[in-house]
Amino acid sequence: NAGVMQNPRHLVRRRGQEARLRCSPMKGHSHVYWYRQLPEEGLKFMVYLQKENIIDESGMPKERFSAEFPKEGPSILRIQQVVRGDSAAYFCASSPATDTQYFGPGTRLTVL
Amino acid sequence: QKEVEQDPGPLSVPEGAIVSLNCTYSNSAFQYFMWYRQYSRKGPELLMYTYSSGNKEDGRFTAQVDKSSKYISLFIRDSQPSDSATYLCAIIKGGSEKLVFGKGTKLTVNP
Repeated sequence: NAGVMQNPRHLVRRRGQEARLRCSPMKGHSHVYWYRQLPEEGLKFMVYLQKENIIDESGMPKERFSAEFPKEGPSILRIQQVVRGDSAAYFCASSPATDTQYFGPGTRLTVL
Repeated sequence: QKEVEQDPGPLSVPEGAIVSLNCTYSNSAFQYFMWYRQYSRKGPELLMYTYSSGNKEDGRFTAQVDKSSKYISLFIRDSQPSDSATYLCAIIKGGSEKLVFGKGTKLTVNP
């Protein structure tokens, strides 16, 4: 049973470009979560989604960030007009229900 | 006051030592407690999950929760060099889905 998959593993963008991060949950998991880990900081919750629904986006920055989990395909975290402060590791987690969360390997975003 | 406090270390111990890792939290609404292990440049891996006060044991790992003191611990017995990683405590409030993490404690077990 494959774990949570994230791609790309590393992403380099110049300031002002868009970043798209993808997450495929574990088989049978319908709940997806995104977290951000800044250098020297702990993991911070960003957003919680179920298929076609955003359940809790209280951790998302108000501008430039959006997330979706369509009926078909992976969950996408989208960052528009990236700035240097967006450089971080972005982790996706999934769970089968309101239960323990299993994390993917992360996408490391570097903004030049 | 932060919701979850965790000493970042670093913590360095000899192989075979007993390791104690700790977190405190401020909100009594927290009900579910987890420990994750994160190797360098990898994703967090779930080690232990508990929701009640007391001890839970799994192999060399014991998770301890004291809700009255808002204090959680992870003990590692007979520590191995392969245990060298950052250990993250994570807590969830009842009715919520978002994990609140401590900053993590970096552990090195020396052979």
